[in-house]
Amino acid sequence: QVQLVESGGAVVQPGVSLRLSCTASGLTFSNYVMHWVRQAPGKGLEWVAAISYDGSEKYYGDSVKGRFTISRDNSKNTLYLQMNSLRTEDTAVYFCAKGHWERQVIGDLDYWGQGTLVTVSS
Amino acid sequence: DIQMTQSPSSLSASVGDRVTITCRASQDISNYLAWFQQKPGKAPKSLIYAASTLQSGVPSKFSGSGSGTDFTLTISTLQPEDFATYYCQQYINYQWTFGQGTKVEIK
Repeated sequence: QVQLVESGGAVVQPGVSLRLSCTASGLTFSNYVMHWVRQAPGKGLEWVAAISYDGSEKYYGDSVKGRFTISRDNSKNTLYLQMNSLRTEDTAVYFCAKGHWERQVIGDLDYWGQGTLVTVSS
Repeated sequence: DIQMTQSPSSLSASVGDRVTITCRASQDISNYLAWFQQKPGKAPKSLIYAASTLQSGVPSKFSGSGSGTDFTLTISTLQPEDFATYYCQQYINYQWTFGQGTKVEIK
């Protein structure tokens, strides 16, 4: 059974940094692309970033490019999102999600974690 | 960037109704289209990928169709557990994009 568990959400002030983690179990983590998707309060889903199964390819949404960095540690079955220069508009629940196909970047997202809340407020 | 537009934004329906949600892409995405269901306070759940293929364990009352720029999600017989928000998502390029969502409410 695939399980994805996010952690690291917090209440922070604008301009600071925060790192989120997503620990995976029930799958061969190193074989799958992983994503971060966020959802602002009362709003829809927004794709944030993706990283290939081996970490060699990284992709970002326009709203976070240059401020957020996605990474992974396959030895720890863990995905990360380093968020710098946080803005009030980054306030959201952040979900990690798994890509469907082994060793392929392009594909749908089939399993999701429950999310972790990041609140950016002065 | 590819834009995804869903219609309607919300709808009211009764148990037993047939419901159809539409998703339109701003350019050709072939069949690189997924549908998700989300209930309040929960993570999205994958329903359909490749426009029409049901994810494992998803009941056959859900169906998807379309190719190119126009897609539909149909719920054949609406049940109480189906009241939720539904999202489409394209994944043809390296910028995965969601539609704005369609909220299905009880009439």
